[in-house]
Amino acid sequence: EIVLTQSPATLSLSPGERATLSCRASQSVGSSLAWYQQKPGQAPRLLIYGVSDRATGIPARFSGSGSGTDFTLTISSLEPEDVATYYCQQRSNWPPVAFGPGTKVDI
Amino acid sequence: QVQLQESGPGLVEPSQTLSLTCSVSGDSINSGGYYWSWIRQHPGKGLEWIGYVYYSGSTYYNPALKSPATVSLDTSRTQFSLKLTSVTAADTAVYYCARFDMVWGVFDPWGQGALVTVSS
Repeated sequence: EIVLTQSPATLSLSPGERATLSCRASQSVGSSLAWYQQKPGQAPRLLIYGVSDRATGIPARFSGSGSGTDFTLTISSLEPEDVATYYCQQRSNWPPVAFGPGTKVDI
Repeated sequence: QVQLQESGPGLVEPSQTLSLTCSVSGDSINSGGYYWSWIRQHPGKGLEWIGYVYYSGSTYYNPALKSPATVSLDTSRTQFSLKLTSVTAADTAVYYCARFDMVWGVFDPWGQGALVTVSS
């Protein structure tokens, strides 16, 4: 079973600052890593797939990087609407999939 | 564009069966390449995958679930459903349906979610 851990648990920043969120896997997941954004009271939304590809309609300030076991979601310049919890997810050992515990971003 | 919408009772008694339906519009459940999925989120907690169904009827489930789950296709092929038997208070959660893309291994899109409370 592949376990995902995310850090930090909470990130408090100011508008315009850069946010760096980390996701670490207990074993290599190759390029099968995705990120989701969940705003308060809403369903999750796909942000990034295949480590670094932005989903349709996702602003360019969101970017993903990494490989193997260490991955990063970067928000280059925080906007107030980016307040949300961000989850990473892998499917390397599909059919089971796993989500990370999430990082909450506050402004 | 594809849209998913959950429906079902918001309150279920302990030991009973939780039943939810996901209505799919803008896409066909019969199109290959996607698994139709259920995910839940306990209050204030993270996301937990429950299970998938493919258009062929093949299913996969999270082995860590304590309450047995069944995901199935509706004969109309415009809906799929979730049943959890012998539920307890620990099954209280927001339940989401989502389409799982087999190529990229991602859930997209998601339904808006349905809160189900297990209580007598």
